[in-house]
Amino acid sequence: GESVGLHLPTLSVQEGDNSIINCAYSNSASDYFIWYKQESGKGPQFIIDIRSNMDKRQGQRVTVLLNKTVKHLSLQIAATQPGDSAVYFCAEKASGTYKYIFGTGTRLKVLA
Amino acid sequence: GAGVSQSPSNKVTEKGKDVELRCDPISGHTALYWYRQSLGQGLEFLIYFQGNSAPDKSGLPSDRFSAERTGGSVSTLTIQRTQQEDSAVYLCASSRRGGDYGYTFGSGTRLTVV
Repeated sequence: GESVGLHLPTLSVQEGDNSIINCAYSNSASDYFIWYKQESGKGPQFIIDIRSNMDKRQGQRVTVLLNKTVKHLSLQIAATQPGDSAVYFCAEKASGTYKYIFGTGTRLKVLA
Repeated sequence: GAGVSQSPSNKVTEKGKDVELRCDPISGHTALYWYRQSLGQGLEFLIYFQGNSAPDKSGLPSDRFSAERTGGSVSTLTIQRTQQEDSAVYLCASSRRGGDYGYTFGSGTRLTVV
């Protein structure tokens, strides 16, 4: 399938290295955040989430960090693999609302 | 079903024609969303359905766009008199409640207006 966006910021990482993808969110009232991964030709897939009462959450090879002071979210991928190549989106939601606001996305390219 | 199913996966239409895009959400998911994804853009919210409540249509870009959800399950997004700027990937998502714990997305319908 085609890429989802030709003008997205791109992060190129050597296979085996760690990746850090950053996101600045917009709403100081947002209290729930998700990182999604979108492979070419597919819909976004949930990777990991974090609530605003936490500043760090770890999954399998992924870690999300939240800095509410500067409204910044990051996704760290350990030992990046070719299968990690995709577009990554952050999404935010405020308590009591049902609508997520998505960032524009970052394309991760894993170099062999 | 096991996942969110969208059809068709690709649609090419002539400018001025009407198109219908279909979404079959996960069984038991009461919330259903439509988003649009254009090249180089993020996901743009279009419309939200929750149970029998009135839908949130605040994201529909013009009155050429409409959506319905029959029986609280399948949804159809209709675009009338398509324009070239309507070309995008249209994504449907569903969730158990109002977006708690995120959505499950379908693979999308790529619409190309020529």
